[in-house]
Amino acid sequence: QKEVEQDPGPLSVPEGAIVSLNCTYSNSAFQYFMWYRQYSRKGPELLMYTYSSGNKEDGRFTAQVDKSSKYISLFIRDSQPSDSATYLCATLVYNFNKFYFGSGTKLNVKP
Amino acid sequence: AAGVIQSPRHLIKEKRETATLKCYPIPRHDTVYWYQQGPGQDPQFLISFYEKMQSDKGSIPDRFSAQQFSDYHSELNMSSLELGDSALYFCASSGQTSERDFGPGTRLLVL
Repeated sequence: QKEVEQDPGPLSVPEGAIVSLNCTYSNSAFQYFMWYRQYSRKGPELLMYTYSSGNKEDGRFTAQVDKSSKYISLFIRDSQPSDSATYLCATLVYNFNKFYFGSGTKLNVKP
Repeated sequence: AAGVIQSPRHLIKEKRETATLKCYPIPRHDTVYWYQQGPGQDPQFLISFYEKMQSDKGSIPDRFSAQQFSDYHSELNMSSLELGDSALYFCASSGQTSERDFGPGTRLLVL
């Protein structure tokens, strides 16, 4: 079993829809949770970073962490065609420098 | 803001040749991580350096070596290249927090 599980999709939505991307993790020692966006043939870019349970907003993006159920979510409001990319969740154990990626969910936002 | 810089962006080599990839971290970042992402695969952690010392080792082949220099840039040296080494190689850097910033990657093609 992978440390971080993520539905690979693909997920196809119309422009303007609310997108929900999800991951589950198995190790309760994970403390940092991140979402990366990766466009085709590019390296991942960091979108959001959270430490504690709860919500964190940045523009149209909201990251949500529920440590009790080991569940991570990324919500995208008013989705745009430019949001079409692969989204990867990632977790990190503090001070161990061990970085676990989910397999990524491919999102396609149709105009 | 300055981001992680990688060079070259694209590289074509033949089997059994050598290649050197370079990563320049964000200023004041002291840790560099190298990842390999094959076509359609998850990123795989290769190796990391903290303050010019190897801090962690992942699935890096013996044919590869890496080091971090006094200006914190890092180089990944790849020898006796094989067709299976064709991949996107990207590096990340981090500083005092666990947040990581990724470079755009070097796309290596071995013919």
